[in-house]
Amino acid sequence: NAGVTQTPKFQVLKTGQSMTLQCAQDMNHEYMSWYRQDPGMGLRLIHYSVGAGITDQGEVPNGYNVSRSTTEDFPLRLLSAAPSQTSVYFCASSLTGARTEAFFGQGTRLTVV
Amino acid sequence: AQKITQTQPGMFVQEKEAVTLDCTYDTSDQSYGLFWYKQPSSGEMIFLIYQGSYDEQNATEGRYSLNFQKARKSANLVISASQLGDSAMYFCAMREGWGYQKVTFGTGTKLQVIP
Repeated sequence: NAGVTQTPKFQVLKTGQSMTLQCAQDMNHEYMSWYRQDPGMGLRLIHYSVGAGITDQGEVPNGYNVSRSTTEDFPLRLLSAAPSQTSVYFCASSLTGARTEAFFGQGTRLTVV
Repeated sequence: AQKITQTQPGMFVQEKEAVTLDCTYDTSDQSYGLFWYKQPSSGEMIFLIYQGSYDEQNATEGRYSLNFQKARKSANLVISASQLGDSAMYFCAMREGWGYQKVTFGTGTKLQVIP
């Protein structure tokens, strides 16, 4: 079982560069989301999607873009990287419903210099 | 206002002892769910336990139990018989509403189990 797969695991970007963090799940989950994890701040929601073609902003969406063309994939795009975007990024997926926990990818450690 | 508050940045517990990790939440919804996740030093997020707002009994999963006090809006995680492998970050999270909802996480508690 692959579960939720994130690539890459590590990335270093220069300020101003753009890149896409990939996230794929093979569990046919409707709901997918992106979080960033910073020391002392827990996980903060960036963007989420309730199904193909439907996305919405979370708590900290600025500087990030998402799309959901298929159920399986939910890429996160950094439009113009800034040092403040240095963080660990997690993709998660779940079924919709009250008792469904999120399944997380392994995380992507991004450093912007 | 913080929706999920974890007031213990770090905790120590002796091996084989029980430990309680605190979590309080803030919501005006009647229907919500509370989750606890574990994050070992390797970084992955591991689901531990779930409590629904309408559940009358406290949730239990093996050595994990959730002390749910609805009136106080608290959802504390109790780990019994601590093991060295329990050393990790622990996050409390809340889903508000019914069906699909956004999940909000607390800032976490770092638990260290001492031999």
